[in-house]
Amino acid sequence: DAGVIQSPRHEVTEMGQEVTLRCKPISGHDYLFWYRQTMMRGLELLIYFNNNVPIDDSGMPEDRFSAKMPNASFSTLKIQPSEPRDSAVYFCASKRGVTDTQYFGPGTRLTVL
Amino acid sequence: GESVGLHLPTLSVQEGDNSIINCAYSNSASDYFIWYKQESGKGPQFIIDIRSNMDKRQGQRVTVLLNKTVKHLSLQIAATQPGDSAVYFCADWGTGTASKLTFGTGTRLQVTL
Repeated sequence: DAGVIQSPRHEVTEMGQEVTLRCKPISGHDYLFWYRQTMMRGLELLIYFNNNVPIDDSGMPEDRFSAKMPNASFSTLKIQPSEPRDSAVYFCASKRGVTDTQYFGPGTRLTVL
Repeated sequence: GESVGLHLPTLSVQEGDNSIINCAYSNSASDYFIWYKQESGKGPQFIIDIRSNMDKRQGQRVTVLLNKTVKHLSLQIAATQPGDSAVYFCADWGTGTASKLTFGTGTRLQVTL
């Protein structure tokens, strides 16, 4: 099993640019989570999907952030326009069922200049 | 203004000694608990979990203890090795369809030779 796959691993962009982060969950997992990790706030849940449907997006910081899951094997997190305070490591995680353990991807380190 | 980052508590232990990492949770309705290990530059990695109907669970070199009365969780690592150096997070999951993992701030474990 390849585990959760995220791309890119590193992204450096300038303020105002659009950023798209990608995630491929583990095959067969029906839950997908997007997290953000910073020194200031630790690990925060942004949004999660069940069977490709967004269930809870209360952690999404503002309208600049959007997430989609067009099918069971792919999700994107988009920031438009990006700001320096969005600089963080963004993790994707997936799990098989309600009581299953979440498995994290390696993360995308985003730097907005 | 001056920014203040999370100040992670640090536990320093000698190689070969046992480590005990503690965690307090606040949601009395939580019924599932997980310990994650995060090495530098990587995503959180599942170590061990425990459900609320148990008070102890053992894995390979790790033991998790749950005290629901005082809402306290601990992770014990036997014969700590240099490869155990990482940040350790506890997380809990409450009941309900909108439930999601809540992560603690983490403890940094440093293993000295």
